[in-house]
Amino acid sequence: DIQMTQSPSSLSASVGDRVTITCRASQSISSYLNWYQHKPGKAPKLLIYAASSLQSGVPSRFSGSASGTDFTLTISSLEPEDFATYYCQQSYSTLLTFGGGTRVEIK
Amino acid sequence: QVQLVQSGAEVKKPGASVKVSCKASGYTFTSYEINWVRQAAGQGLEWMGWMNPNSGNTGYAQKFQGRVTMTRNTSISTAYMELSSLRSEDTAVYYCARIAVAGTVYYSDYWGQGTLVTVSS
Repeated sequence: DIQMTQSPSSLSASVGDRVTITCRASQSISSYLNWYQHKPGKAPKLLIYAASSLQSGVPSRFSGSASGTDFTLTISSLEPEDFATYYCQQSYSTLLTFGGGTRVEIK
Repeated sequence: QVQLVQSGAEVKKPGASVKVSCKASGYTFTSYEINWVRQAAGQGLEWMGWMNPNSGNTGYAQKFQGRVTMTRNTSISTAYMELSSLRSEDTAVYYCARIAVAGTVYYSDYWGQGTLVTVSS
């Protein structure tokens, strides 16, 4: 299986901060990388697919980028509703895998 | 609008099986694959497998091979996930999600509301 390693596992930030979350794949996965937001008691929500394509309806403060096997999710200016856990997921293999998640907490 | 509605919460004893349903509406059921994801309390998202509603083909994560079965009933646009030989570690919220495709990139764009499965003696 392809392993996805996210960092950090958690972070504290304030409203208005720029936040960056990283995901590293254990092998080359091209741009087959998705990002999801998950809040307690809710279903996960797709933010970014194909490493950098913004899902319809998702605010433009969310962006994704890729460099080799490293992928980054950036929130340009954190809003109160952005406090959640974020997961990367590879879809290069037909057996998909998630990263361990990054919890974004209020400072 | 696209909706995936899952069956209600279940309580099962260790060693039993559970079957969770996921009823799709608002799109052509056989045109999109369905995958299943779970989250145990305090843990991250865990991908379990996928099913093609048109062909019935499936693919399962190695961890669940031999214990999970994903099926469908196209006449009622419903997908099913059955997990057998349940143990306490299987206590989790189980989600179904539709798989969309952009070129060759797969992603889950619509999700069910989740089904809590509790395994307890």
